[in-house]
Amino acid sequence: ETGVTQSPTHLIKTRGQQVTLRCSSQSGHNTVSWYQQALGQGPQFIFQYYREEENGRGNFPPRFSGLQFPNYSSELNVNALELDDSALYLCASSTSTDTQYFGPGTRLTVL
Amino acid sequence: QKEVEQNSGPLSVPEGAIASLNCTYSDRGSQSFFWYRQYSGKSPELIMSIYSNGDKEDGRFTAQLNKASQYVSLLIRDSQPSDSATYLCAVNKDQAGTALIFGKGTTLSVSS
Repeated sequence: ETGVTQSPTHLIKTRGQQVTLRCSSQSGHNTVSWYQQALGQGPQFIFQYYREEENGRGNFPPRFSGLQFPNYSSELNVNALELDDSALYLCASSTSTDTQYFGPGTRLTVL
Repeated sequence: QKEVEQNSGPLSVPEGAIASLNCTYSDRGSQSFFWYRQYSGKSPELIMSIYSNGDKEDGRFTAQLNKASQYVSLLIRDSQPSDSATYLCAVNKDQAGTALIFGKGTTLSVSS
């Protein structure tokens, strides 16, 4: 167990809807990174938050947005859901060094 | 955009054998390298990190890094059926940050 938690575990939405995924980081970690993992692929970096500020973003459109709170927990918001957004969404927490520990993930299905 | 490449497999080995997993990366500036194990339907679990050229051993696992050849590998000795999983190679996106670039993963199957 890494101490990183995510909610919900599974989620089913329809195209065009909006979704919010949540992540609680491991105690002592101030950095949260979000990844999208499509079936059969490696995780793809969405963005990272360090001390409540966005600290890097991957090749994802602006309808993917995030937030980090003072307790270092984080949210990932996706607007105008598309079928291709169906994936496992992973949250990873770390300190300012670069070893990342993943939560259990949220499986999002868009119908 | 940095690229990390792995043979998708499946790699099949008998129980007790050595499994060798390989990964190449394109950006010479990459500084940190990681191997994660992912069981079907689960999230990635960190196995090893390596930062310097050479070998790093942890139990049955050995990571090897050759920055000149831009190559990193993972050896699993005395492979067990419980080692059957997808192994993901990951590289830091840049020197200062912690965003990771992953390969697609290699599926390992260990038969008893």
